[in-house]
Formats: sequence, structure tokens, C-alpha cells
Amino acid sequence: QITLKESGPTLVRPTQTLTLTCTFSGFSLNTGGVGVGWIRQPPGKALEWLALISWDDDKRYSPSLESRLTITKDTSKNQVVLTMTNMDPVDTATFYCAHYFPFDARGFFSDTLHFFDPWGQGTLVTVSS
Amino acid sequence: EIVLTQSPGTLSLSPGERATLSCRASQSVSSSYLAWYQQKPGQAPRLLIYGASSRATGIPDRFTGSGSGTDFTLTISRLEPEDFAVYYCLQYGSSPFFSFGPGTKVDIK
Repeated sequence: QITLKESGPTLVRPTQTLTLTCTFSGFSLNTGGVGVGWIRQPPGKALEWLALISWDDDKRYSPSLESRLTITKDTSKNQVVLTMTNMDPVDTATFYCAHYFPFDARGFFSDTLHFFDPWGQGTLVTVSS
Repeated sequence: EIVLTQSPGTLSLSPGERATLSCRASQSVSSSYLAWYQQKPGQAPRLLIYGASSRATGIPDRFTGSGSGTDFTLTISRLEPEDFAVYYCLQYGSSPFFSFGPGTKVDIK
């Protein structure tokens, strides 16, 4: 069973850097093809994809936020860390991490499997002075 | 950059009715790269449909995905009380790597 859980501060001051950790179980980032993504959701608003890190350390970022984001992994701890710099009140959101694995049960890459599943429960981060 | 729009923003229906939700892309999207999620208040999104038309594990057959090119549809044949939620489409592509639509809320009429 795959599970993920986000952790980090609930309150961040404007201009500070946010550091969030995703701790997962049931899979390994040493496994070919596996990835972990981060998605955020401001209160009452839509989901927004932020970043993805893959088993081979390939990193992808949302173009609109790329300059502020860094995603890293620690395979020995089964953790993925997301940092976001220069936080602003508009960055107040629930942050989710999620599993990504575009391979089918036989281990073959599949074009249809580009999605995030499952997701962690999310963690609400408020940016306020 | 591919932008997804969803319509309507809110759909007010009664249990037992049919719901038709639209997701439109600003450029053609491979049907392989389109997924749908359901999100209830206070919960993480749940995967419903991937590859535009394949149901995820455990998803009831009243949920059907269809479409190609720039127009995709999620149909809920007969709404159950637990189906009232917000629905998002997700596309995978070159830039951005992933993007979500703004969502459609299905609420009780």
C-alpha cells in the first residue's frame, strides 16, 4: 500500500522560505520510472501543479514558479523536499505530494499513466505576518 | 503552454440525474494524457479517469470519460449522493509538464 504524508510549518512569514517534506512508504525512489510530485491548492481555489522529481533525479517545475522552487529527494529516508522562496500571502494553500509512476503492472511504460495517484492528505500553509 | 478550461463552473443537479462536465484544452492534447479527479471538501483529490476514458481502480461504471483533441467530457450517468463534489481535469504535456483545469462543482439542486 502506497502512502504519502506532507509535513512542515503551518505558518510562514512573508519573504521567508517554505520547506516541506513528503515522507512516503510502499514504493522507492530507487525504482526506475517512479516520481513524486507537489501540487498546491489555495483555499476555495483550484489545484496547481508545482514540481515533479523522478527516480533518476530528473526535475520538472511549473514555469510560472520555477524561479522560486527547488525539489530534492533523499532515497535513504523515503523523502522528497520542496522549498519555495520569497513566500507571499497569496501563496497560502494546502500543499499535497503525490505518487507518479507511468508504468503498468507488467512494468511497461504507458502513455496513459501520466497522473498522480495516490495523494497525501495535504498540509495547510498560511503566509502571514 | 496548454491551458485547460472547464465548464460549467457549477452544475446544480438532483440525485439520479445525469451530469456532463466539459474540459477544453487551448491546444490539442493526446487523449492518453488526460485524467479526471474528484475532490470532496477537506479531502485530497481522488483519481477517477485516466487516458481520457479508462476508469481507475474501484471507480463505479456510472463515471465515463470521453473525448479527444481539445474537447473532453466526464459523464456521471446517475448522480449518487456521494458524487456531489468538485471535479478537475489534468493534462500531461511538454509545457507545462502538468496542468489542472479550474474545476467544476457539482452541487445538489
